[in-house]
Amino acid sequence: AQKVTQAQTEISVVEKEDVTLDCVYETRDTTYYLFWYKQPPSGELVFLIRRNSFDEQNEISGRYSWNFQKSTSSFNFTITASQVVDSAVYFCALRPSNTGKLIFGQGTTLQVKP
Amino acid sequence: DVKVTQSSRYLVKRTGEKVFLECVQDMDHENMFWYRQDPGLGLRLIYFSYDVKMKEKGDIPEGYSVSREKKERFSLILESASTNQTSMYLCASNPPNSEWSPYEQYFGPGTRLTVT
Repeated sequence: AQKVTQAQTEISVVEKEDVTLDCVYETRDTTYYLFWYKQPPSGELVFLIRRNSFDEQNEISGRYSWNFQKSTSSFNFTITASQVVDSAVYFCALRPSNTGKLIFGQGTTLQVKP
Repeated sequence: DVKVTQSSRYLVKRTGEKVFLECVQDMDHENMFWYRQDPGLGLRLIYFSYDVKMKEKGDIPEGYSVSREKKERFSLILESASTNQTSMYLCASNPPNSEWSPYEQYFGPGTRLTVT
């Protein structure tokens, strides 16, 4: 079975705190892709990052960083020094190599309070 | 920029009505997708299409049908709307995926459908 689990339903932090959003996936494929999307209150999902299963390098983009660990089937997302504009629903998704379909996690609602 | 538009942001329909949700993309993408989003369930795939007149069922196709007569347009149809179809519906598109070119999906703003 292919599955993505985001165990944190809601997270609330105060501005400038660091926060990590967890993502655990299940797949038997050796080649697959992982994605993170942000859904602000406007509703439109915004692509943040893509990772393929052969690239375990962590990535940093400004205040955002991603930690991909195949050994634990996790692809966690950290926001450093959070800001109110980071408030959104964040989705992790898995794309098996033989299909264009995405399998989404349940989403984590992040609230950053001023 | 890729643009995916959906015909309505909010829609209210009555039980039993036939409902059409329209999605248009302007980047000549082959692939188009319809999802529904419900709290605690994330996004679930209803139908997708790899080309004009082609469609495949996703994970929850029951109660829905789709139409793709033109490459840029993908319609979701609720033949007889029911209250359990009250949800947020999201359309997405992307170019064809191969094992080594996994394009991200581009999403529209969503249609919040309420069936009363």
